[in-house]
Amino acid sequence: DVKVTQSSRYLVKRTGEKVFLECVQDMDHENMFWYRQDPGLGLRLIYFSYDVKMKEKGDIPEGYSVSREKKERFSLILESASTNQTSMYLCASKIPGQGYEQYFGPGTRLTVT
Amino acid sequence: AQSVTQLDSQVPVFEEAPVELRCNYSSSVSVYLFWYVQYPNQGLQLLLKYLSGSTLVKGINGFEAEFNKSQTSFHLRKPSVHISDTAEYFCAVSAQGGSEKLVFGKGTKLTVNP
Repeated sequence: DVKVTQSSRYLVKRTGEKVFLECVQDMDHENMFWYRQDPGLGLRLIYFSYDVKMKEKGDIPEGYSVSREKKERFSLILESASTNQTSMYLCASKIPGQGYEQYFGPGTRLTVT
Repeated sequence: AQSVTQLDSQVPVFEEAPVELRCNYSSSVSVYLFWYVQYPNQGLQLLLKYLSGSTLVKGINGFEAEFNKSQTSFHLRKPSVHISDTAEYFCAVSAQGGSEKLVFGKGTKLTVNP
């Protein structure tokens, strides 16, 4: 079974802090994704990585950066957290090629106060 | 670019009743279509997908969906729901020959009442 794990289920940070959200997958998938999920807005893609050290901006990259130094790990970085980044963050991974499903982690609920 | 519209944000039904969750998409090219389910406090998991071939697709947990190209729809159905089907359901689309990215709808919250 594919397993995607995220470092924290719940996280509380203060405005202005640098925040790291970690995602690890155990199935050697090339593609990895970071989404944020907000009520009534569905899932919105923040960043996408198709290989180590390769990344592509999604629909809402402002205020975020990512790092992919190893194939199994994809990190989302909030350089200076703000209250409007309070959200649920979901990581996913998949095999390259269309039609393959994305496998999701359980999510990290981040609260910025 | 692709877009997905889930026509109902909330659908309440009674146990053992049939349910249909509606999804319409917009795209200038052919698409692949997916339904994902998110149970409370969990990530998303794939229910079913349409890639090609038969327009009626069967998925897990007794769900099925029908691809209708002329209506640009991919509605999800189940003939008899259980309490355990209470969850949020997301329709998603990706363009054939395009990016690896999925575009998700805003979700439909299905609540099954006893």
